Amino acid sequence: DQQVKQNSPSLSVQEGRISILNCDYTNSMFDYFLWYKKYPAEGPTFLISISSIKDKNEDGRFTVFLNKSAKHLSLHIVPSQPGDSAVYFCAASGLGYSTLTFGKGTMLLVSP
Amino acid sequence: EAGVTQFPSHSVIEKGQTVTLRCDPISGHDNLYWYRRVMGKEIKFLLHFVKESKQDESGMPNNRFLAERTGGTYSTLKVQPAELEDSGVYFCASSQGGLARTQYFGPGTRLLVL
Repeated sequence: DQQVKQNSPSLSVQEGRISILNCDYTNSMFDYFLWYKKYPAEGPTFLISISSIKDKNEDGRFTVFLNKSAKHLSLHIVPSQPGDSAVYFCAASGLGYSTLTFGKGTMLLVSP
Repeated sequence: EAGVTQFPSHSVIEKGQTVTLRCDPISGHDNLYWYRRVMGKEIKFLLHFVKESKQDESGMPNNRFLAERTGGTYSTLKVQPAELEDSGVYFCASSQGGLARTQYFGPGTRLLVL
C-alpha cells in the first residue's frame, strides 16, 4: 500500500507559466516532506523541503505548500523553464526517522 | 565538495551470479542509505547505516542481499545469487549526523539480471 502518492504520471506546461505538482500521503506520522528532481541517468537531486510545523516554504522559483488536514502537499514552480523538465519525486519521513518514503514521481515537461 | 559516488554505473549479470555495488558517501556524513527503484515504480528504501552500524534494514528484500559499511566510510551491497527481479537502479544516499532529514543521492547503479 502506497503511503505517498503522486497521481499524475506526467504534466506538460509552457515556458513562463506555473507548474503545480501534487502529492498526497496517508501516514499521519509523516512530519517532514521533501521534493527531489531527477534527470535521466542521474540520481535524485534535493530541491526543497518543508516541516509539518509550516504550511509554506519558498526558495527562489520553487514553493512547497503543505495542507496537513488534507494530507496534501504541492510544489509550485514559477516561472517554469525548459531546464525544469525532469521527473519530480515527493518524499516523506516520520518523526524520529530519517528514512524516506517516495512517491512514483511526476514527469514534468516544460516546452519553449 | 564531492558528492555521493557509486560504482559501477551499470552492471549486467546472469541469474545466479554475484554482484557487488559500492557507495562512497559525502565526507563526514554519518548516515548512509540504500534505495532501489524498479522500472516505473517508486524509489524504495532498503537499509540505513549510522556510521558502521545498521540502523534499519527493514527494506532488504531477502537474505540474498548483504550490506556492509566497514569503518563507517564507504558501503557495499552484495547480491548473491542474483535473480531476475533484482534488476533495477540502486541508489545510495547520505546525510549528516543525527536525524538530518535531507539526503543527498548518488547517480545510481543500473543492474540488469538476465
